[in-house]
Amino acid sequence: EVQLLESGGGLVQPGGSLRLSCAASGFTFSSYAMSWVRQAPGKGLEWVSAMSISGGSTYYADSVKGRFTISRDNSKNTLWLQMNSLRAEDTAVYYCAKRSSGSYMSYFDYWGQGTLVTVSS
Amino acid sequence: DIQMTQSPSSLSASVGDRVTITCRASQGISNSLAWHQQKPGKVPKLLIYAASTLQSGVPSRFSGSGSGTDFTLTITSLQPEDVATYYCQKYNSAPYTFGQGTKLEIK
Repeated sequence: EVQLLESGGGLVQPGGSLRLSCAASGFTFSSYAMSWVRQAPGKGLEWVSAMSISGGSTYYADSVKGRFTISRDNSKNTLWLQMNSLRAEDTAVYYCAKRSSGSYMSYFDYWGQGTLVTVSS
Repeated sequence: DIQMTQSPSSLSASVGDRVTITCRASQGISNSLAWHQQKPGKVPKLLIYAASTLQSGVPSRFSGSGSGTDFTLTITSLQPEDVATYYCQKYNSAPYTFGQGTKLEIK
């Protein structure tokens, strides 16, 4: 059974940093591309970042480019999202999502439970 | 970047009704289109990929169609458990943009 367990969310002041983790199990992590998606309170889904199976290719939404960094360790079955220079508008539930293959052209087939990030003074 | 536009933004229908939600891409994306369902307070769940392929375990009353720029999600006989917000998403290349969502309620 595919499981994605996010952690690391919490309350942080504007301008602060936070590192989210996604622990994956139930599939061969190193064979699948991964992504982060967020959802602000009462709002829709917003794709944030994606990473290839090797980590050699990374992609970011314009809203987070230069501030967020996605990374992975295939030996630890873990995906991370380093979030710097946080703003109030980054407040959201952050979901880790598994992709259907290692291709950049793969759909999002499983979602984690999400972790809440609140940026406020 | 390609924009994804869903219509309507909200929809109220009766149990047993046929419901249709549309999604339009600002440029062609072939059939690289997925539909996700998010029930109130729950995690999103994949319903359909490749525009028309049902994810395993999804009831057959759900179906998808379209290619290029215009796509449709259809529920043939609405059930109470289908109350949710539905999102389309392109996945042919980054950015993997979602539509703004369609909130479906029971009348």
